Amino acid sequence: GDSVTQMEGPVTLSEEAFLTINCTYTATGYPSLFWYVQYPGEGLQLLLKATKADDKGSNKGFEATYRKETTSFHLEKGSVQVSDSAVYFCALSDNDYKLSFGAGTTVTVRA
Amino acid sequence: NAGVMQNPRHLVRRRGQEARLRCSPMKGHSHVYWYRQLPEEGLKFMVYLQKENIIDESGMPKERFSAEFPKEGPSILRIQQVVRGDSAAYFCASSLDRDPYGYTFGSGTRLTVV
Repeated sequence: GDSVTQMEGPVTLSEEAFLTINCTYTATGYPSLFWYVQYPGEGLQLLLKATKADDKGSNKGFEATYRKETTSFHLEKGSVQVSDSAVYFCALSDNDYKLSFGAGTTVTVRA
Repeated sequence: NAGVMQNPRHLVRRRGQEARLRCSPMKGHSHVYWYRQLPEEGLKFMVYLQKENIIDESGMPKERFSAEFPKEGPSILRIQQVVRGDSAAYFCASSLDRDPYGYTFGSGTRLTVV
């Protein structure tokens, strides 16, 4: 079945540091890939997505590229801020409504 | 325009009691999805409902769990005779169309079984 494996946390960084969260997946077809973010006390929000190989999703300074050859969708941001402290979830969908999620990575950015 | 509302935010139940979790979708959304997050794991799909219909319940445990989305009112996830292993965060999402790109998630209900 489909599965997503993402980098274990927690991750603690200083402001303006580079952030990368690794995500790899297993799927039978050609899934769409997502990164969701959950800020404290809130629901999950879609951060970015990619629907086919070599697509790059980007939003709020975050980027991730759909790499079919390595079955990966790593999340990166060049310079993090305290406001980026959150839990980040990698997810995939290979049908039209069901998502499979990774375990989440908690990121804490210190001033 | 309120988002997806889940209540209660926190729910404590003793073993053997019933738990009822409510989800009010965004206005105009007729597709509702329930996910469960066990400790140290990712969210797992439980059930997909449209008004008065269960579309896919492949992720629901076979016993004690049920879900509904009536014509009027919120969607309800009901867990009968709760056990400690039911302790988890339960998330609801809604969408306008049958489409993972358009999901809006609620803040979740944290169920603790003591």
